[in-house]
Amino acid sequence: DAMVIQNPRYQVTQFGKPVTLSCSQTLNHNVMYWYQQKSSQAPKLLFHYYDKDFNNEADTPDNFQSRRPNTSFCFLDIRSPGLGDAAMYLCATSPPGHLVDYGYTFGSGTRLTVV
Amino acid sequence: AQKITQTQPGMFVQEKEAVTLDCTYDTSDPSYGLFWYKQPSSGEMIFLIYQGSYDQQNATEGRYSLNFQKARKSANLVISASQLGDSAMYFCAMRVAGGYQKVTFGTGTKLQVIP
Repeated sequence: DAMVIQNPRYQVTQFGKPVTLSCSQTLNHNVMYWYQQKSSQAPKLLFHYYDKDFNNEADTPDNFQSRRPNTSFCFLDIRSPGLGDAAMYLCATSPPGHLVDYGYTFGSGTRLTVV
Repeated sequence: AQKITQTQPGMFVQEKEAVTLDCTYDTSDPSYGLFWYKQPSSGEMIFLIYQGSYDQQNATEGRYSLNFQKARKSANLVISASQLGDSAMYFCAMRVAGGYQKVTFGTGTKLQVIP
């Protein structure tokens, strides 16, 4: 089945130690997104890629970076995780935005703990 | 700008009864899509149902139906015959054709089904 896969499902990292979360998709969707979701809150968009074009949200901290080496893979790098970065990180994909009847396909998420 | 409002932070429903989760939206774009997602405690976001702005009929998917009232800009989710497994967070979301790709989420409603 076509899907979006996030690894790992749970990640524990030390305060200040760089960490990378990964996302892969078999849907061949142009657009990939990274969302941060803290407890009992709505997902917050960090950035997205339209093909290779990177789009950063204005309020995304510089501590968060992303890479998309090819259509299938996208990575979220947190350069120096702080306690406030503990959250669920959701990867999603979609076809281009003019196709409004397509929402997102989400991965199962990575729950990040910072110790 | 697009906005989604969910005014019910939490809801209770008796097992086997129907429940309505409220959602209102705001956009000036005539072409848009409305979505509902379910998020269990495990964290993954599960797509439930979609309604297009030009659709004449309300969307239905099994026990889920979307009560779309375009003039009122509301898109309420109705779950019939609630089951214990329906206990989760529910997010209303919108995507517009003129937008730059992203989906706007509401703040969510936590539904608890009581045996």
